[in-house]
Amino acid sequence: KAGVTQTPRYLIKTRGQQVTLSCSPISGHRSVSWYQQTPGQGLQFLFEYFSETQRNKGNFPGRFSGRQFSNSRSEMNVSTLELGDSALYLCASSLGGQGVSGNTIYFGEGSWLTVV
Amino acid sequence: DQQVKQNSPSLSVQEGRISILNCDYTNSMFDYFLWYKKYPAEGPTFLISISSIKDKNEDGRFTVFLNKSAKHLSLHIVPSQPGDSAVYFCAASDGGSEKLVFGKGTKLTVNP
Repeated sequence: KAGVTQTPRYLIKTRGQQVTLSCSPISGHRSVSWYQQTPGQGLQFLFEYFSETQRNKGNFPGRFSGRQFSNSRSEMNVSTLELGDSALYLCASSLGGQGVSGNTIYFGEGSWLTVV
Repeated sequence: DQQVKQNSPSLSVQEGRISILNCDYTNSMFDYFLWYKKYPAEGPTFLISISSIKDKNEDGRFTVFLNKSAKHLSLHIVPSQPGDSAVYFCAASDGGSEKLVFGKGTKLTVNP
């Protein structure tokens, strides 16, 4: 069974540009969440999608957005990139619908974004 | 405001000994707690979890203890092995959602 797949794995962008990251969840999983990991802040929740609807959103500016498609694949977009957006972006998937107490959440290997 | 805290950035233990990783939380709404392990260049891997209705959960070499009154949980690894060397994250949730609130992690080094 394939795990959570994220693309691209590594990318470098310039300040002011925008970036789109992609996530393919485990087959059959309908919930996809995104997290940002930085050395200073640790792992922080960005947002969660279930059946194409955003159910939860973290405390990030509007430059961070996401969406989920009918096949449960998800993308997140960061516009007007800032140096501080340099981070590891992790996607996680689960069956969804029951909260973490009812489903194991599986993480992908992440997309490393460097903003220069 | 950090709702989940792991106050020890690093921990070093000898192979075969017990590793104890600690975690404190402040939000009384949290009712489900998890531990994840992360190797460099990989995503976090689920290790073990515990519901707030329990005070202990065991899975092989890993045991998680929860003290609700102190808002404290700990992960015990016995015996520790060099392959356990990784960063361990404590996470909490209100159980009804998929959102996890993570601590900043503790880097465990198990020396042969």
